[in-house]
Amino acid sequence: QKEVEQNSGPLSVPEGAIASLNCTYSDRGSQSFFWYRQYSGKSPELIMFIYSNGDKEDGRFTAQLNKASQYVSLLIRDSQPSDSATYLCAVYQAGTALIFGKGTTLSVSS
Amino acid sequence: DVKVTQSSRYLVKRTGEKVFLECVQDMDHENMFWYRQDPGLGLRLIYFSYDVKMKEKGDIPEGYSVSREKKERFSLILESASTNQTSMYLCASSFLGDGELFFGEGSRLTVL
Repeated sequence: QKEVEQNSGPLSVPEGAIASLNCTYSDRGSQSFFWYRQYSGKSPELIMFIYSNGDKEDGRFTAQLNKASQYVSLLIRDSQPSDSATYLCAVYQAGTALIFGKGTTLSVSS
Repeated sequence: DVKVTQSSRYLVKRTGEKVFLECVQDMDHENMFWYRQDPGLGLRLIYFSYDVKMKEKGDIPEGYSVSREKKERFSLILESASTNQTSMYLCASSFLGDGELFFGEGSRLTVL
């Protein structure tokens, strides 16, 4: 059984701080990694994807991948109240489909 | 913009009823997926399809079947609904198998 693990939270950070969201996965054959954001009552939407070891930056968001440690993270700089949502880590292995973690709830207080 | 449309936002059904959840996408995507989302359990994959008339079981296919007769349409079928199938059902599509998923708005099913 392929597993994707995330701390459920809630993770609470003050406005302007850095939020760090973490994810581990069990299958070493996993090839690509995604972070989705889901607001309450809404469907998930893609924030970032990463395929290679290292960092990938997009605006206030940075995804980090370490395949040796089977670890993916998402950093949100200058956190805003509008970033309050559940963040879902998803992992893809060839021949299957995206497998999601249970999500981490982020709360940014103003 | 990609649009994934799920036919019903809210459904209430009785135990034992046959339930159809319909999903249509308008971007000619090859791949379509059905997930269910439950509090504390996250998104779980029920079935997916990489091509017309093709289907693959996900992690929790028991009690469900699917149909993909046309590229744009992927239907989830509950042959005999049970109370433990009360859930939010999310349909998604993607151009590539490992690409971005575009989700529909979801269908919240309650089985009484």
